[in-house]
Amino acid sequence: DTAVSQTPKYLVTQMGNDKSIKCEQNLGHDTMYWYKQDSKKFLKIMFSYNNKELIINETVPNRFSPKSPDKAHLNLHINSLELGDSAVYFCASSQDLQGYNEQFFGPGTRLTVL
Amino acid sequence: DQQVKQNSPSLSVQEGRISILNCDYTNSMFDYFLWYKKYPAEGPTFLISISSIKDKNEDGRFTVFLNKSAKHLSLHIVPSQPGDSAVYFCAARPLGNNDMRFGAGTRLTVKP
Repeated sequence: DTAVSQTPKYLVTQMGNDKSIKCEQNLGHDTMYWYKQDSKKFLKIMFSYNNKELIINETVPNRFSPKSPDKAHLNLHINSLELGDSAVYFCASSQDLQGYNEQFFGPGTRLTVL
Repeated sequence: DQQVKQNSPSLSVQEGRISILNCDYTNSMFDYFLWYKKYPAEGPTFLISISSIKDKNEDGRFTVFLNKSAKHLSLHIVPSQPGDSAVYFCAARPLGNNDMRFGAGTRLTVKP
C-alpha cells in the first residue's frame, strides 16, 4: 500500500493551460505539504495544510492554489501555466505540524510546460 | 536564502568504506534535523533524524552527528554498500513548526 500517492506522475501541457495534481495519503496524518524541486534540484516548500487550514505559503504565485477536500487529500491547482513552472512537484505528509516527526513524500509529478 | 547547505554535490566511496556526508546551516532557530535519501524518479525517503538536544543518533549503519556551535551536521554510513548510492538531502526545521528547509543534496556513489 502506497503511503503517499500522487497523480499523474508525468504531466506535459501548453503554456496558459490550467492543470491539477492530486495527492492522497493513507497514513492518517494531520498535515500535508507541497514541494517544488526546480532544475537546480532544490526542494522548496510551497504550502502546508493542517486540519484543512493553510499554514505556510512561501511567496508562491497565486496561480497556484492548494485545495484539501478532506484530511487525506491535498490537491494542487495551477492556473495559466508558465514555462518556469516546469519542475517536479512532491506531495508530503506528517503526523502533525509541531512534533518531532518526519515527512513522508510521494513519488513526485514531473510537470513540463511547453 | 539557502539556510541549509550541502557544499559537496557528489561523493564517491568504495564499498565497505565509510561515507561521510556534510551539511551546514545558518538559522540558529533550527531545532530538528533530518536526512533523506532519494533514488531517481522516486520521492525522498526519511533516513534518520536528530533533535538539537542530542549530538549523536545512531540507527544501524547510519549515524548522524550534530555540532550546534558550528551549525554543522554529518551523516556517516559504515560500511557503505552499493545500494546506498542515491542523492542524500539534509533538512532542518525550527521548533514548533514543520517549515522544513532542504539542502541541495549530495549524490553518493558507492563503487563495488
